[in-house]
Amino acid sequence: GNSVTQMEGPVTLSEEAFLTINCTYTATGYPSLFWYVQYPGEGLQLLLKATKADDKGSNKGFEATYRKETTSFHLEKGSVQVSDSAVYFCALSAVQGAQKLVFGQGTRLTINP
Amino acid sequence: EAGVAQSPRYKIIEKRQSVAFWCNPISGHATLYWYQQILGQGPKLLIQFQNNGVVDDSQLPKDRFSAERLKGVDSTLKIQPAKLEDSAVYLCASSFSGASNQPQHFGDGTRLSIL
Repeated sequence: GNSVTQMEGPVTLSEEAFLTINCTYTATGYPSLFWYVQYPGEGLQLLLKATKADDKGSNKGFEATYRKETTSFHLEKGSVQVSDSAVYFCALSAVQGAQKLVFGQGTRLTINP
Repeated sequence: EAGVAQSPRYKIIEKRQSVAFWCNPISGHATLYWYQQILGQGPKLLIQFQNNGVVDDSQLPKDRFSAERLKGVDSTLKIQPAKLEDSAVYLCASSFSGASNQPQHFGDGTRLSIL
């Protein structure tokens, strides 16, 4: 079945550091890939998405590239801020069948000033 | 535009009691989802509606969970009777058509604690 594996957390960085959160997936066909962010006490918010191979999703300084050859969708940001502290979820949505999101386990990110 | 509305935000009940959650999706969104998020895990889909019909309820524990979306707009998720392992955040989400490349928009969730 479809699955998503994320880098284990928690991740703690200093402000202005470079961020990478790894995400790999297993799926049949060509799924759409998403990164969602969850701030404390809130629901999930879409951060970025990519719907086909080699697409790059970007938003708020975050980027991720859909790599079919490595089945990966790693999240990166060049300079993190304290306000980026949150839990980040990688997810895929299958092309065929009932469209539903399959989530990774989440990576908690803490940015220290 | 208004986001996905959920209520209540928090609920505490004893095991074997019943509880219901309500969700109002974004206006015009045909597809509605209920997810269960256990602490420290990613959300897991419980049920998906397309308008007022069920598309996928394969992971819904049907002996105790039920959900409806009678008029194809708002939805209710019920648990009866509740078990300790049902302690989780219940998230509602909606999307415009349910196509795989469309993002889902999430509400803030209902945090359920079972004593």
